[in-house]
Amino acid sequence: EAQVTQNPRYLITVTGKKLTVTCSQNMNHEYMSWYRQDPGLGLRQIYYSMNVEVTDKGDVPEGYKVSRKEKRNFPLILESPSPNQTSLYFCASSEVEGGYYYNEQFFGPGTRLTVL
Amino acid sequence: QKEVEQNSGPLSVPEGAIASLNCTYSDRGSQSFFWYRQYSGKSPELIMFIYSNGDKEDGRFTAQLNKASQYVSLLIRDSQPSDSATYLCAVTRAGGGGFKTIFGAGTRLFVKA
Repeated sequence: EAQVTQNPRYLITVTGKKLTVTCSQNMNHEYMSWYRQDPGLGLRQIYYSMNVEVTDKGDVPEGYKVSRKEKRNFPLILESPSPNQTSLYFCASSEVEGGYYYNEQFFGPGTRLTVL
Repeated sequence: QKEVEQNSGPLSVPEGAIASLNCTYSDRGSQSFFWYRQYSGKSPELIMFIYSNGDKEDGRFTAQLNKASQYVSLLIRDSQPSDSATYLCAVTRAGGGGFKTIFGAGTRLFVKA
């Protein structure tokens, strides 16, 4: 089954404790992306990756890191989480056509993170 | 001004009516336009995408794009209670070495039986 998986689905942590949220897709997609969703603000892009070893900042990258060492995986790293990073996080992937656009992003189930 | 703006709603329509959802964007370099549906507590799922000016129809859904006015809309015909959800407008534009995706805050739609 074609899917995007994220782990963990729920996480409660404390300020400053490093954490990683994993994301994996089995569709051989080039494009992967992380979003956070907050009430009233919609989905905001944190980082995206066009392919292996190619990553770039979205609109809200502060406090986050990513890496893309393999095509299927795109982990999100919070080196020193703070309460303002409490949010619902989505990973997504898509196939790139013509080098510059995609038809659809497939979303993972989401990770609800609470930082105390 | 937000880069992608939607009326937050809620928009309430009776069952069987046409629901009209609107979205405006500010960057004229925006390339692709998407409508996603998101049920409460679930992930977004694609309804339609459109790249060129004009209308695109898929079943009960029609997307309309007007690049001159920087406006994209979604019409839902014969609305059903199962259409009740939040509808997210998204656009892509060139950024860095690839392209960024910008979402609107979403419009909540209620379809009354």
